[in-house]
Amino acid sequence: GESVGLHLPTLSVQEGDNSIINCAYSNSASDYFIWYKQESGKGPQFIIDIRSNMDKRQGQRVTVLLNKTVKHLSLQIAATQPGDSAVYFCAENIRNGNNRLAFGKGNQVVVIP
Amino acid sequence: EPEVTQTPSHQVTQMGQEVILRCVPISNHLYFYWYRQILGQKVEFLVSFYNNEISEKSEIFDDQFSVERPDGSNFTLKIRSTKLEDSAMYFCASSEGGSPTAYGYTFGSGTRLTVV
Repeated sequence: GESVGLHLPTLSVQEGDNSIINCAYSNSASDYFIWYKQESGKGPQFIIDIRSNMDKRQGQRVTVLLNKTVKHLSLQIAATQPGDSAVYFCAENIRNGNNRLAFGKGNQVVVIP
Repeated sequence: EPEVTQTPSHQVTQMGQEVILRCVPISNHLYFYWYRQILGQKVEFLVSFYNNEISEKSEIFDDQFSVERPDGSNFTLKIRSTKLEDSAMYFCASSEGGSPTAYGYTFGSGTRLTVV
């Protein structure tokens, strides 16, 4: 089966601090993972992705870490800004002949000015 | 930047009524998807569509649901007889290719469906 879930429902962080959001997945065949950001009233927006042959990938202020041994994914946001307040979802690419994304439940990040 | 457009943004309907949710995918995209998100829960896959047919559907996508690409620009989700539990945010997405690893998905802003 597929199960992508997040450990913490809400993360409150001071502006300027770093944020870490964690995600567990259970499908060992998944080969691609994405972090999405969802602001209120909007659809999921792509933040960063990582393929299963990588352990780490960096973007602008964001880093994704993948630990395939324990099926764990994390998103690190450096110097968190008020605009980072949103719900963050991890998603995995389920490969079963077709391709589709399976999303985790979501983790609310609240940035305190 | 190209966008996926969904209309309406909010739809209120009586239980048992039919609703049609509309999406205009990005023009050069070939793969289309519907997802839904019940309030406070995760985004769930409903259906994928390519070459005028369903590629894959989830167990949620039962006989009450159907999708259609009636012309070259619209992609619709129809719920034949709505139930209270159909209340959710429905997201349309499109991609240029079938693999998100190569092409990624672009999501619309969603239609909030409220069944009363």
